[in-house]
Amino acid sequence: GGIITQTPKFLIGQEGQKLTLKCQQNFNHDTMYWYRQDSGKGLRLIYYSITENDLQKGDLSEGYDASREKKSSFSLTVTSAQKNEMAVFLCASSIGTGGDTQYFGPGTRLLVL
Amino acid sequence: GQQVQQSPASLVLQEGENAELQCNFSTSLNSMQWFYQRPGGSLVSLFYNPSGTKHSGRLTSTTVIKERRSSLHISSSQTTDSGTYLCALEDVGDNSKLIWGLGTSLVVNP
Repeated sequence: GGIITQTPKFLIGQEGQKLTLKCQQNFNHDTMYWYRQDSGKGLRLIYYSITENDLQKGDLSEGYDASREKKSSFSLTVTSAQKNEMAVFLCASSIGTGGDTQYFGPGTRLLVL
Repeated sequence: GQQVQQSPASLVLQEGENAELQCNFSTSLNSMQWFYQRPGGSLVSLFYNPSGTKHSGRLTSTTVIKERRSSLHISSSQTTDSGTYLCALEDVGDNSKLIWGLGTSLVVNP
């Protein structure tokens, strides 16, 4: 078995601030994902990466940067936090892409004051 | 493009009742998955079911591709089943990522 850890668990930021979220997995999976989950809107894909140093934009990439420095880690940066923004950011990994089962981390809860 | 509709959006049951959750999609797919999310928790994969019927304890998943639907049946519901159930599919046209439904929020009362 393996585990996905996300840090921090809670993140409170200020409007305009650059905020970085981190994700680590020990499954030795090739593919990692960042999703945003808002109430009533389901999961929306921000970025994914199929291997180290690879980046692929999802449907919601504007306003975000990502970095896959090594196979086990995938970080996401909110380039300029929006006032009153509140969402959960979920990291996931899978062996490959498409229909391969994705394993999720516990999430980072963001609140922007 | 591919559309995924989940129904009902929310459901309230008394403990012991059964539940039927639906996921409808608009075009062909390569695979279908069901996930469960406890309130405030991470997503857990329940089924990988591209076609046919699969069982896991009190849960049954049935995918009928030609009818463009997948269902998740929960029998003898328990309070610990409360949470959100999401379906996600791999589109034939783009197999690089999953397409997600909005989920069904289930509350099981004692």
